[in-house]
Amino acid sequence: SAVISQKPSRDICQRGTSLTIQCQVDSQVTMMFWYRQQPGQSLTLIATANQGSEATYESGFVIDKFPISRPNLTFSTLTVSNMSPEDSSIYLCSVGGGTRSSYEQYFGPGTRLTVT
Amino acid sequence: SQQGEEDPQALSIQEGENATMNCSYKTSINNLQWYRQNSGRGLVHLILIRSNEREKHSGRLRVTLDTSKKSSSLLITASRAADTASYFCATDLGTSGSRLTFGEGTQLTVNP
Repeated sequence: SAVISQKPSRDICQRGTSLTIQCQVDSQVTMMFWYRQQPGQSLTLIATANQGSEATYESGFVIDKFPISRPNLTFSTLTVSNMSPEDSSIYLCSVGGGTRSSYEQYFGPGTRLTVT
Repeated sequence: SQQGEEDPQALSIQEGENATMNCSYKTSINNLQWYRQNSGRGLVHLILIRSNEREKHSGRLRVTLDTSKKSSSLLITASRAADTASYFCATDLGTSGSRLTFGEGTQLTVNP
């Protein structure tokens, strides 16, 4: 299994500002994922971040709003840009299993964002 | 749209009882996974069942998969107060990247 940390754990931000969330993994992984979990809801995949290539965004999410960096195999950032109260959510990063025989994902503790 | 739908949305039981949660999905899958989330924190992987498997056990957990009905169930036996959490099913379609699509979740409360 992988150990994943996220920073910050929570933040309260003003609308119109941006927040960058960091995700650090204790081992090298090919695939990292970013999810959003709105209050009382399930997880929705924002994008898949592979090292050395641009992130792949899911329908309804765009790079201008959620730019992602993946500078190496242990780190990724997600920026929530020009925030509005609707962006208040928990943002979680995860990594895929290390081999194709192991498909489970390991999740970070999440970043709880409140936009006022 | 969500691939998975879960029922019930909320379940409240007494310690020692069994808890059963169900998940339905819409398209063919490579595997189905169950995760637990405690109070808005990160998710913990519980169990994975592949599309060619029908039942799987892990400790007090039993998962079944019926691909003809596109449904799965998670049974927690002899529940404990510490099992109180949200439980999510997630489907992996087997296409590029191990992308998971999560169900809506079941909030389980185990009363001591």
